[in-house]
Amino acid sequence: AQRVTQPEKLLSVFKGAPVELKCNYSYSGSPELFWYVQYSRQRLQLLLRHISRESIKGFTADLNKGETSFHLKKPFAQEEDSAMYYCALGSGGYNKLIFGAGTRLAVHP
Amino acid sequence: EPEVTQTPSHQVTQMGQEVILRCVPISNHLYFYWYRQILGQKVEFLVSFYNNEISEKSEIFDDQFSVERPDGSNFTLKIRSTKLEDSAMYFCASSEDRVDGYTFGSGTRLTVV
Repeated sequence: AQRVTQPEKLLSVFKGAPVELKCNYSYSGSPELFWYVQYSRQRLQLLLRHISRESIKGFTADLNKGETSFHLKKPFAQEEDSAMYYCALGSGGYNKLIFGAGTRLAVHP
Repeated sequence: EPEVTQTPSHQVTQMGQEVILRCVPISNHLYFYWYRQILGQKVEFLVSFYNNEISEKSEIFDDQFSVERPDGSNFTLKIRSTKLEDSAMYFCASSEDRVDGYTFGSGTRLTVV
């Protein structure tokens, strides 16, 4: 079964602390993985996609096929990083997205 | 930066009524999608649309739902006879290439009373 698991509903850290938002997936084929972010009252925005191996706003994510994980990391959290973060798996020929339940990141001053 | 536009932002309707949710995707995008998020639950795929036809739909997308791209710019989701459980945030999204991430609209909050 195709599934995305984000085990933490809430991750609370202090400004400047490292952040790791966990994402595990279950998929029989070659996965396409994404991280989306939703700031308060705003739309879902694409943050990262694994195929581009980019770093956006200091965030990185590495696909680990052995552990079926795509954790999102940032070395030093900022208050403006506070948001809801969704991991998503692209599936099928037209790339429908299967979302995890999301993790709310709260960065405190 | 181009945006996906959704209207209305909030719609309240009576159970059994028909609603049409509207979306204007980014103009050069070819792939279109609807998702929904019931309060407190995951974002769920409803339907994908490419080349003027449905390419994939979920189990949620039953005969009560339909999509249309009536004029080459708008992309609509119609719910024929709304139920209380259709209350949710509905997101439209579009993509230029299926392997790119999508651009999402800001959503329409549908409340069925």
